[in-house]
Amino acid sequence: GQQLNQSPQSMFIQEGEDVSMNCTSSSIFNTWLWYKQDPGEGPVLLIALYKAGELTSNGRLTAQFGITRKDSFLNISASIPSDVGIYFCAALVFQGAQKLVFGQGTRLTINP
Amino acid sequence: NAGVTQTPKFQVLKTGQSMTLQCAQDMNHEYMSWYRQDPGMGLRLIHYSVGAGITDQGEVPNGYNVSRSTTEDFPLRLLSAAPSQTSVYFCASRVSPNQPQHFGDGTRLSIL
Repeated sequence: GQQLNQSPQSMFIQEGEDVSMNCTSSSIFNTWLWYKQDPGEGPVLLIALYKAGELTSNGRLTAQFGITRKDSFLNISASIPSDVGIYFCAALVFQGAQKLVFGQGTRLTINP
Repeated sequence: NAGVTQTPKFQVLKTGQSMTLQCAQDMNHEYMSWYRQDPGMGLRLIHYSVGAGITDQGEVPNGYNVSRSTTEDFPLRLLSAAPSQTSVYFCASRVSPNQPQHFGDGTRLSIL
């Protein structure tokens, strides 16, 4: 089945640094999503991408839908302590009920 | 607006016991899903539903049953709990196939 390869698995950065993470797949998708999960909570949607090549920002977050439709990246600029958490990419599989597949997650740790 | 509500938040079971994880949403979403989250594996789809009376299997359905008698509720049943089912379970809903999912806060289940 479809798989998403998310990297890096973990990041340790200093406050104020920029962050970049990405997801790749051998399959083509029509929708890419980026979620953030805080400890003890469910994933919360950050950015949704619906068109190949689309570049979308949400505050300090920027994500792009790869032109090949097989990848996506998420950038966080000028990181702050509340950015700590696990970031997941997800993509919609347009088969039947259009299931959502997830990457393995990127755990972000920020040193003040 | 409560969104997606999961109960209980925590549960400890003995091997062989049965239980039902509850999920309710008040957004009139047709599409609902159950995921399990294990360390280093992201979220994996267990079962999903595209509307009342319609359910289907996801990636890891074995050991779990679901039903969808109403639009609002989508319970997940473990008929005979096994230690391999120790995980964090998330319920999610969305209004239409190509829209992002809204997640509940999760149920942390331990099987001894």
